[in-house]
Amino acid sequence: SQQGEEDPQALSIQEGENATMNCSYKTSINNLQWYRQNSGRGLVHLILIRSNEREKHSGRLRVTLDTSKKSSSLLITASRAADTASYFCATDWKGGGNKLTFGTGTQLKVEL
Amino acid sequence: DGGITQSPKYLFRKEGQNVTLSCEQNLNHDAMYWYRQDPGQGLRLIYYSQIVNDFQKGDIAEGYSVSREKKESFPLTVTSAQKNPTAFYLCASSIVKGQANYGYTFGSGTRLTVV
Repeated sequence: SQQGEEDPQALSIQEGENATMNCSYKTSINNLQWYRQNSGRGLVHLILIRSNEREKHSGRLRVTLDTSKKSSSLLITASRAADTASYFCATDWKGGGNKLTFGTGTQLKVEL
Repeated sequence: DGGITQSPKYLFRKEGQNVTLSCEQNLNHDAMYWYRQDPGQGLRLIYYSQIVNDFQKGDIAEGYSVSREKKESFPLTVTSAQKNPTAFYLCASSIVKGQANYGYTFGSGTRLTVV
């Protein structure tokens, strides 16, 4: 299986703190994407980083990519209670035929 | 508003029964996908289609069937051969642009329960 893994599986922080979650994958990629899922809902695309990029920002989100280690991290700064959700990385791996492989997800809980 | 619609939101299936989950999109996306989500296992690919009248098996296709007769529609049938169908099913779509995928749009999911 090409499925990646995320770490930690669950994370609980206080509002205002930063949240960092990590993703590891197995093969060469075209790009890596992060998605958010609120409980019982579909996933929402957050950010995409290409294989030739090392860092990308979008609002309070910062994504890094290290292709030599086959890993990525998602940082959410100044977290809010509304950030409580599950976060998934997804890889578009080379030769994968235009489809994504998802990691196992990190459950983030932001407490007031 | 453009989007992707899954129905029903909740579905109950009796043992030995086939059920069909609907997925419709008005985004003009060429590719459509079905994933299954179980607790702690992330998303696993069941079937995908990149063009009308063509589809491919994903990692866990056994016990499932699909059709792609129209660009907008990609229904999934869960057959009686699927031994453990209770799960959350997610449909997604994307544009096809070369060999890379630049992101999915997901539906809101169908929760299937065997009773």
